[in-house]
Amino acid sequence: EPEVTQTPSHQVTQMGQEVILRCVPISNHLYFYWYRQILGQKVEFLVSFYNNEISEKSEIFDDQFSVERPDGSNFTLKIRSTKLEDSAMYFCASSDSGRVYGYTFGSGTRLTVV
Amino acid sequence: GNSVTQMEGPVTLSEEAFLTINCTYTATGYPSLFWYVQYPGEGLQLLLKATKADDKGSNKGFEATYRKETTSFHLEKGSVQVSDSAVYFCAQVNAGNNRKLIWGLGTSLAVNP
Repeated sequence: EPEVTQTPSHQVTQMGQEVILRCVPISNHLYFYWYRQILGQKVEFLVSFYNNEISEKSEIFDDQFSVERPDGSNFTLKIRSTKLEDSAMYFCASSDSGRVYGYTFGSGTRLTVV
Repeated sequence: GNSVTQMEGPVTLSEEAFLTINCTYTATGYPSLFWYVQYPGEGLQLLLKATKADDKGSNKGFEATYRKETTSFHLEKGSVQVSDSAVYFCAQVNAGNNRKLIWGLGTSLAVNP
């Protein structure tokens, strides 16, 4: 079964530092997403990406956040200057336009900002 | 706007008990509906899905039926096991929403031996 791979599984960073969370989506998928889950809370949509551009972003996804698909396989989420409240589990997902909304999630990156 | 409402947890059951976790949705159009499961310390796994009215999704003994008339997608299992202890999320996705998932708050299930 194809997988979405996320690295690292856990990252600790100091407040104000930049972090890059990496994802390798399933190779024939066309839609890519980042979601986050603050500990014990709801899963929240951050951004969707299609055809090499952002198709939608949430209010959470402010100027401190950016996404890239630099080489056709990786899909990255960058947080420029981390805040304590960015501490969360970040999930990458990809979706195949052929299968009906066949989302596959990665296992997540736990980001801890100290 | 589109939303998902789940019954609040935590739900605590004894092994072999019957499980129901209620989920209702509001949507424009006809969304696809999903149940995801998150085991302790792990990521999100798709448990089952249904893409149109009256479809029944099933997996690992869990079932949910897409009921358009009641806008519901309740999760059921006839006999739970300790290993089913997890958080269960109901979600919807609609083609008009850039295919983003809209999530319920999650329901924590604890099954005691």
